[in-house]
Amino acid sequence: GAVVSQHPSRVICKSGTSVKIECRSLDFQATTMFWYRQFPKKSLMLMATSNEGSKATYEQGVEKDKFLINHASLTLSTLTVTSAHPEDSSFYICSALQGTTEAFFGQGTRLTVV
Amino acid sequence: LAKTTQPISMDSYEGQEVNITCSHNNIATNDYITWYQQFPSQGPRFIIQGYKTKVTNEVASLFIPADRKSSTLSLPRVSLSDTAVYYCLVGALHTDKLIFGTGTRLQVFP
Repeated sequence: GAVVSQHPSRVICKSGTSVKIECRSLDFQATTMFWYRQFPKKSLMLMATSNEGSKATYEQGVEKDKFLINHASLTLSTLTVTSAHPEDSSFYICSALQGTTEAFFGQGTRLTVV
Repeated sequence: LAKTTQPISMDSYEGQEVNITCSHNNIATNDYITWYQQFPSQGPRFIIQGYKTKVTNEVASLFIPADRKSSTLSLPRVSLSDTAVYYCLVGALHTDKLIFGTGTRLQVFP
């Protein structure tokens, strides 16, 4: 299957700082990417849908000013957690849509805010 | 986007065939059915996708009845490494958001 690379896989940051997570589709172009958050033993929760060249569409309850999403090219979307706090600690996962029917996922980023 | 219902958990033993059924009563004409596998601290991995009837690949089979209101993922001869959470997603991805349900936690015992 297609490859989606997410970086970093693990990051620890201090409270109040910002963290950027990158999501790249390595062997295909992705007009649409999705960002998820996952808590332990829970399902993936959609945060936002990112379309190349336009503003991301955020799900209800997700703060767009806190979770900045940029999808500047067909192979790269970034999620920046701004002014991170311990409650932002979580597992973040991106997904890239290949064509119109298949979505492939990154390996996830474990964010710990101390 | 069609809502899906799956069993929360299932247990099996190595070598057995495992069938996980997903209900999606309000599936739309343009919707595809896709199954993903997720291990702890990893992103979901695509397993199989279908629209109708039966689809088979090197790791699984997907059975879809004529009314498409349900689907069954079949894993032949499971091993310990198949212990994971399996998600059924239904939708037309170019128009729908990719929403995950609760998934089925499969535990394979030796």
